[in-house]
Amino acid sequence: DQQVKQNSPSLSVQEGRISILNCDYTNSMFDYFLWYKKYPAEGPTFLISISSIKDKNEDGRFTVFLNKSAKHLSLHIVPSQPGDSAVYFCAASAISNDMRFGAGTRLTVKP
Amino acid sequence: NAGVTQTPKFQVLKTGQSMTLQCAQDMNHEYMSWYRQDPGMGLRLIHYSVGAGITDQGEVPNGYNVSRSTTEDFPLRLLSAAPSQTSVYFCASSHTSGSTYEQYFGPGTRLTVT
Repeated sequence: DQQVKQNSPSLSVQEGRISILNCDYTNSMFDYFLWYKKYPAEGPTFLISISSIKDKNEDGRFTVFLNKSAKHLSLHIVPSQPGDSAVYFCAASAISNDMRFGAGTRLTVKP
Repeated sequence: NAGVTQTPKFQVLKTGQSMTLQCAQDMNHEYMSWYRQDPGMGLRLIHYSVGAGITDQGEVPNGYNVSRSTTEDFPLRLLSAAPSQTSVYFCASSHTSGSTYEQYFGPGTRLTVT
């Protein structure tokens, strides 16, 4: 069963505009939600996380929004830069540290 | 501060062989995990540990063993390699502090089983 889903395999945006990456989940027991960026042949790079007790967390150009009633989270990148082009994964963890990942969204930021 | 290190970077095994993938972290994190990533898929959790001496199964544990004798090290053992275990393996360490949760990954081990 896929508990974390990223329904858009790819997203293309213009440099300077906002990138919005979406993620849905099914397990209401998840306590933490995380976003990662991944380049080919490298390990995922942690970007930002949010606890289930919050609905928003910001870190520089990255903001994560959590809508618990809809079981939905999103990552906003403003402004988008060409160096942001990568595959983005969302992940969710219950308190047991059993973490589940989505399949990823490939973001392309065009100059 | 090296973060999370993994060895080897690449490995080719024959079916039935065994091997150990090494993982170490120098951040004094309690939690460590092993994942595999297959083409077109997200990472899937194999085993994880919430502290020295404590391990648990993740989503896809069959064919793998782990142990956690120290905070720093979390090796993953393939008991009898199968072609279905061809994948890229990532080790991670993580910690929580209040409402924050951070997880850091190693560079990965690309394993091919023939």
